[in-house]
Amino acid sequence: DGGITQSPKYLFRKEGQNVTLSCEQNLNHDAMYWYRQDPGQGLRLIYYSQIVNDFQKGDIAEGYSVSREKKESFPLTVTSAQKNPTAFYLCASRTSGRWGNIQYFGAGTRLSVL
Amino acid sequence: GESVGLHLPTLSVQEGDNSIINCAYSNSASDYFIWYKQESGKGPQFIIDIRSNMDKRQGQRVTVLLNKTVKHLSLQIAATQPGDSAVYFCAETPGYSTLTFGKGTMLLVSP
Repeated sequence: DGGITQSPKYLFRKEGQNVTLSCEQNLNHDAMYWYRQDPGQGLRLIYYSQIVNDFQKGDIAEGYSVSREKKESFPLTVTSAQKNPTAFYLCASRTSGRWGNIQYFGAGTRLSVL
Repeated sequence: GESVGLHLPTLSVQEGDNSIINCAYSNSASDYFIWYKQESGKGPQFIIDIRSNMDKRQGQRVTVLLNKTVKHLSLQIAATQPGDSAVYFCAETPGYSTLTFGKGTMLLVSP
């Protein structure tokens, strides 16, 4: 069963706590992405990675960190510096190349603050 | 259309009608566009894409139209079904590795 797996589905964060969201893909895609979605809003790019051991900031990277040690994994850490972390987080991946920019998404993780 | 605050523009149709969802994109350099469908609590699902050297592309029950002159994209859904109820997003890119997403339109289909 190929695809993108995000876990957990629901996550709760306490004040001052760092939490890590998991994203794994078995599509052999080179590029991976993290987005944040707030109610009634579109997707905003947090970080992306086009190759292992390399990643770039998106539009709203402050308060977040990522790593890309393996091609199939791109975890996102929501740090205590992110003061408004409550949102729906989406991970995506795509194959390389200029054309065929279709990004395929996981089912998402909903993060709430306790 | 674009949303205001927390409120998405909403299109309400009857089952069996044709639906047209519009999107105004912002970057005149964008040369590749995608439509996604997102059901409540799920990740976006790819519907159809189009390159800037095309004006129209058809899929199964869906058609995307591109008007580069006015930077407008539309998604037409034929014979809309209750299962088509979702939020629809357009996304654009000037050929870079990232996509810019619109804020979405909610489609409500009543039986």
